[in-house]
Amino acid sequence: NAGVMQNPRHLVRRRGQEARLRCSPMKGHSHVYWYRQLPEEGLKFMVYLQKENIIDESGMPKERFSAEFPKEGPSILRIQQVVRGDSAAYFCASSLRQGSYEQYFGPGTRLTVT
Amino acid sequence: QQQVKQSPQSLIVQKGGISIINCAYENTAFDYFPWYQQFPGKGPALLIAIRPDVSEKKEGRFTISFNKSAKQFSLHIMDSQPGDSATYFCAATSFFSGNTPLVFGKGTRLSVIA
Repeated sequence: NAGVMQNPRHLVRRRGQEARLRCSPMKGHSHVYWYRQLPEEGLKFMVYLQKENIIDESGMPKERFSAEFPKEGPSILRIQQVVRGDSAAYFCASSLRQGSYEQYFGPGTRLTVT
Repeated sequence: QQQVKQSPQSLIVQKGGISIINCAYENTAFDYFPWYQQFPGKGPALLIAIRPDVSEKKEGRFTISFNKSAKQFSLHIMDSQPGDSATYFCAATSFFSGNTPLVFGKGTRLSVIA
């Protein structure tokens, strides 16, 4: 499978727990983007990363959310002390070129906070 | 504020008919306008995209019409098929002039009925 991979596909967390979402970009892609999608809403940009660098985090909530894309391994979106309002679908996308041109999306992780 | 406004929210079209989805934007710095198709439980898939230096782009049954002066663009699906039933998102970015994140409309849920 040469597409963007995300895991887990579904994640249930109790309030106050931590959620870790993983994203493996398409082969050869070194640019990763995270988006959040609430029901009946479009996707909202959260963060743009390249290997070992955060390029744009203008869409990330200031607290509890962090992202990384290490030299080796997948990109990780981490949500600490989850609250019910964090329940959403989180999508990762990757691109070959810098920026937003031709982004390819993964299947998403559906986070449910109980 | 919402930078890309999409309408209608939902659309029902007879098989063989034309589906039309409209988007309007505010930021004149936007220079790349992709459309994404999303099936339930899946990630968005890039469908077709246009730059503002052309007024129309066609790929198979899908056509984007672009009106730069009105700051509007639309997706036309000719000969709509039940398999086209999905949610469609328009998006915009200043990729070529400023490399900003993709901004998405809220989506249009299309149902094509036989």
